[in-house]
Amino acid sequence: DAGVTQSPTHLIKTRGQQVTLRCSPKSGHDTVSWYQQALGQGPQFIFQYYEEEERQRGNFPDRFSGHQFPNYSSELNVNALLLGDSALYLCASSLGGRRSDTQYFGPGTRLTVL
Amino acid sequence: DQQVKQNSPSLSVQEGRISILNCDYTNSMFDYFLWYKKYPAEGPTFLISISSIKDKNEDGRFTVFLNKSAKHLSLHIVPSQPGDSAVYFCAAIARENDYKLSFGAGTTVTVRA
Repeated sequence: DAGVTQSPTHLIKTRGQQVTLRCSPKSGHDTVSWYQQALGQGPQFIFQYYEEEERQRGNFPDRFSGHQFPNYSSELNVNALLLGDSALYLCASSLGGRRSDTQYFGPGTRLTVL
Repeated sequence: DQQVKQNSPSLSVQEGRISILNCDYTNSMFDYFLWYKKYPAEGPTFLISISSIKDKNEDGRFTVFLNKSAKHLSLHIVPSQPGDSAVYFCAAIARENDYKLSFGAGTTVTVRA
C-alpha cells in the first residue's frame, strides 16, 4: 500500500526565488492538504485541494499557491521566497468525498531559504 | 490564535511506566481529535483518534480520553517503550464546517531505559 510521497526531500533557495514542491497521495485517496511546520511548532494549514480545486485556505499570503492534477497528485508553489518561508512542508492525503476524518502525512520537504 | 494547546513541551518517562500527554482546546466546534507521532526527518504518523461522541478510545498500548466539558484530552501510553521516544502532536477538526486540522505545538517524549 503506497503511502504519501513527497519530492524533493530537501531544497535550498535564495530570497526572491520561486519553488515547487510535489506530493502524491496515499493509494485510494483523492484529497490533498498542505501544511507548513516551522521549527518547534505544530503544522499550520496552508490549503486543501479536492476535485482539482482549492477547497479551503489557511492564513497564508497569495505567494502560496497550489494545483491538483486529475491523478490527485498536487503541487505547492511559493513565489518571492522570504527567509521566514524556511520550514518543513508537509502534504497530507485523505478521502474527501465525505467529511473526512483522518489525514495521512508524507515525509515532508525541508525548504531552506538563504 | 492557538486553538489547540499542548502545555508540556517535554516528558521523560521510565521504560515500562505510563506516559500521559495532555492537550487542551478552545474551539467548542471541534468534534474529532487525533494524535500523531513524529520522528526526526519524518512526517507525522497517525496514532489514534476519538470522536466527540465518545470519551475513550483504545488501540493496543494507546488510549485517548476526551473530557468535552473541560475541553481537554489526553493520550496514555502503557507500557512505554524506547521506540515511543518521539514528538507527539494533538490535532483537532470541526468537521461540520472545516477541512483543516489544527495542531498543538507538540510534546517531546523521551523513554529512559
